[in-house]
Amino acid sequence: ETGVTQTPRHLVMGMTNKKSLKCEQHLGHNAMYWYKQSAKKPLELMFVYSLEERVENNSVPSRFSPECPNSSHLFLHLHTLQPEDSALYLCASSQAYPGQGSYEQYFGPGTRLTVT
Amino acid sequence: DAKTTQPNSMESNEEEPVHLPCNHSTISGTDYIHWYRQLPSQGPEYVIHGLTSNVNNRMASLAIAEDRKSSTLILHRATLRDAAVYYCILRGDMASGGSNYKLTFGKGTLLTVNP
Repeated sequence: ETGVTQTPRHLVMGMTNKKSLKCEQHLGHNAMYWYKQSAKKPLELMFVYSLEERVENNSVPSRFSPECPNSSHLFLHLHTLQPEDSALYLCASSQAYPGQGSYEQYFGPGTRLTVT
Repeated sequence: DAKTTQPNSMESNEEEPVHLPCNHSTISGTDYIHWYRQLPSQGPEYVIHGLTSNVNNRMASLAIAEDRKSSTLILHRATLRDAAVYYCILRGDMASGGSNYKLTFGKGTLLTVNP
């Protein structure tokens, strides 16, 4: 596998279910990101992990819970979601060492989530 | 985050060059100019980025105005596979501190390529 992979690619869940999204990067990066893309809205940054430490949480509801066990893996745990949470959830990775430069992000294909 | 302004949509013909403009009049001295694109039903894809000098890679060229208040992404020969939404984004230097991890996506430019 190369690049950034996400599983599952599609997920339908009820409002009382608990599920998890998984992301894995094979690029040797040390920062990982979760984004949300709702229909007809720009991508919204949800969480950022750098060196396995959460460095940003953009006022995301607690029903979304991220986990970064190591620099290659990122999870998004979902529970008691609402229909308005239906969206494309994208994972990305990049380098993140402090220093000069500005590092590009590499995105996975996304998980299309439908909450019924 | 400094803001960028892009046209909502542009149209091109296959095998012709495409110039996608972006205005960023409030850019700071340490902001890099990044371009990403998103093909239908896919995650965004990095295209190119630069600071002051023009940049070339296998996908595109980036022309940056001397005052850095605008830039242009150039696709030298558009193909049908280049039809996508193109995003111009400013991102800080990692050494500057603060929220330099962020990519703040706007609405981008929807590029249509005609056969």
